[in-house]
Amino acid sequence: DQQVKQNSPSLSVQEGRISILNCDYTNSMFDYFLWYKKYPAEGPTFLISISSIKDKNEDGRFTVFLNKSAKHLSLHIVPSQPGDSAVYFCAASEGGYQKVTFGTGTKLQVIP
Amino acid sequence: GAGVSQSPRYKVAKRGQDVALRCDPISGHVSLFWYQQALGQGPEFLTYFQNEAQLDKSGLPSDRFFAERPEGSVSTLKIQRTQQEDSAVYLCASSLQTGVGQPQHFGDGTRLSIL
Repeated sequence: DQQVKQNSPSLSVQEGRISILNCDYTNSMFDYFLWYKKYPAEGPTFLISISSIKDKNEDGRFTVFLNKSAKHLSLHIVPSQPGDSAVYFCAASEGGYQKVTFGTGTKLQVIP
Repeated sequence: GAGVSQSPRYKVAKRGQDVALRCDPISGHVSLFWYQQALGQGPEFLTYFQNEAQLDKSGLPSDRFFAERPEGSVSTLKIQRTQQEDSAVYLCASSLQTGVGQPQHFGDGTRLSIL
């Protein structure tokens, strides 16, 4: 039972354009959501997070949007840079507990 | 170093052997997590420590898997009588304390291959 789903395994975007990565979840008890970025042969690196009491959180070029009614969140990267090429994992946790459930990842390729 | 350190980076073992994977968390981090990442999948939770106490081991796939953190710092994940399906990357993560808003910092993982 995949509680966090990333239905696009890969995405290609031109440098300078917007990258939009999507994530859906099924567990309505999730109240904290995170995005991690992963380069090959390295561990995931925390990127940005959002609490369920918010619908948007912004940090520089990265913005996460949360739509609780649709159980959907998205990560926007503007403008996209070649160094953003990596696998992005959506993750969620519930009740303040740090056990995190990850999606299967989306591989982003930013083309120079 | 400043980050989470895992050793070895790569481990090859024959089916049936026991293996031990080590994690050195960031100094002062109270919480420590182990994850298993199969090829093409996201990390899957195995177990969680708060200091030396193992508070959740619900993700351990079988009683062949055992984790410890005896002094609340370094942790070891042990897999007994390894099977081919144990082949995966094992990731360790730590965070400063429990609670919402505390992102986990990951090590680079140990890639375990069972022949």
